Amino acid sequence: QKEVEQNSGPLSVPEGAIASLNCTYSDRGSQSFFWYRQYSGKSPELIMSIYSNGDKEDGRFTAQLNKASQYVSLLIRDSQPSDSATYLCAVNLIQGAQKLVFGQGTRLTINP
Amino acid sequence: DAGITQSPRHKVTETGTPVTLRCHQTENHRYMYWYRQDPGHGLRLIHYSYGVKDTDKGEVSDGYSVSRSKTEDFLLTLESATSSQTSVYFCAISDPTIPTGRAFFGQGTRLTVV
Repeated sequence: QKEVEQNSGPLSVPEGAIASLNCTYSDRGSQSFFWYRQYSGKSPELIMSIYSNGDKEDGRFTAQLNKASQYVSLLIRDSQPSDSATYLCAVNLIQGAQKLVFGQGTRLTINP
Repeated sequence: DAGITQSPRHKVTETGTPVTLRCHQTENHRYMYWYRQDPGHGLRLIHYSYGVKDTDKGEVSDGYSVSRSKTEDFLLTLESATSSQTSVYFCAISDPTIPTGRAFFGQGTRLTVV
């Protein structure tokens, strides 16, 4: 079982709709969870971090964490063409040292 | 932008030759990571370091070694490059004492093994 798993997509969403991205992780001791966005040919950039169960909102982005189900999600409201990118879920696995592990990424396309 | 620099940015090398990629940071962050990125695989962890001379393996460490003799530098060496190691390599840094624990990435190194 991979430590962090995402649906690799591609996911296609019409402009103005809600895009929903999902991620599961295997280590119950994980404490920190992140969503990165990566445009083609660029480096990943952090868009959301979440540490406790529930929802965390930042502008059009909402991260949701359910530690009991080992599940993290990202919602993008009022999707814009500029949101078209690959979204990477990352988890800090506590195995002595902190090991930052990524899922395989979900490619999202917002259609005008 | 975080002070993290990868060198070289692009490299073409021949099968069987050794290759060293360098990651340099000016942020004094404790953790440094090397990832490779291939289509459909996201970022896969090769090796990481949690301090000077303290390193550990990631999920795809075979054929790679690392060294960290100074806080600011983390070197990735391909002992004998193979075509399967053609990839984009990213270095990242993080510091768990910073509340967000976020990681910052370098610009990436595109390595082609022919």
